[in-house]
Amino acid sequence: RKEVEQDPGPFNVPEGATVAFNCTYSNSASQSFFWYRQDCRKEPKLLMSVYSSGNEDGRFTAQLNRASQYISLLIRDSKLSDSATYLCALQGGNYGGSQGNLIFGKGTKLSVKP
Amino acid sequence: GAGVSQSPSNKVTEKGKDVELRCDPISGHTALYWYRQSLGQGLEFLIYFQGNSAPDKSGLPSDRFSAERTGGSVSTLTIQRTQQEDSAVYLCASSSWDRKTQYFGPGTRLLVL
Repeated sequence: RKEVEQDPGPFNVPEGATVAFNCTYSNSASQSFFWYRQDCRKEPKLLMSVYSSGNEDGRFTAQLNRASQYISLLIRDSKLSDSATYLCALQGGNYGGSQGNLIFGKGTKLSVKP
Repeated sequence: GAGVSQSPSNKVTEKGKDVELRCDPISGHTALYWYRQSLGQGLEFLIYFQGNSAPDKSGLPSDRFSAERTGGSVSTLTIQRTQQEDSAVYLCASSSWDRKTQYFGPGTRLLVL
């Protein structure tokens, strides 16, 4: 099983739609979780950290489910500018990521259409 | 303030040549990471620096890859005898002492012909 798995998409949604992405991970000792956004031919940029209690930032909500070992990202009222690839990443654990390096999924591509 | 910078932004080289990639982290950031992103692949960890030492080199794909960091700041990633499979975007990231939020540079696009 890969360390971090994401549905590659693409998710094609109309403006204003609500879209959700999941990301599963295999290392139960992972400690920190993140969602990054990557635009075409650009570097990844941190969108939000993911906490056990769940956290919200405007139209974006992130959740962590440790029992089932997945994190999720919900985007409400999608905008054209949300079109990008969304990468989940984890950090920590007893192998891979133990020194703070991030372990990334391959990303989910979102395309928001007018 | 200034973010992470990398140079060159693009590099085209011939198979067998050596290349050197540079990363300037955010001032004051003690942790520095190198990643590689190949077409259709996720970001792959290469090496981690804390200050000038590299406690984790586990991601370097072969002994042709090496990296150093001097003065706790600038880092260089060197690829010797480049191969076509080395073609990728090489990304550098830095973070403060808590190694939580990592800020990425714009990357160096390497093409080995």
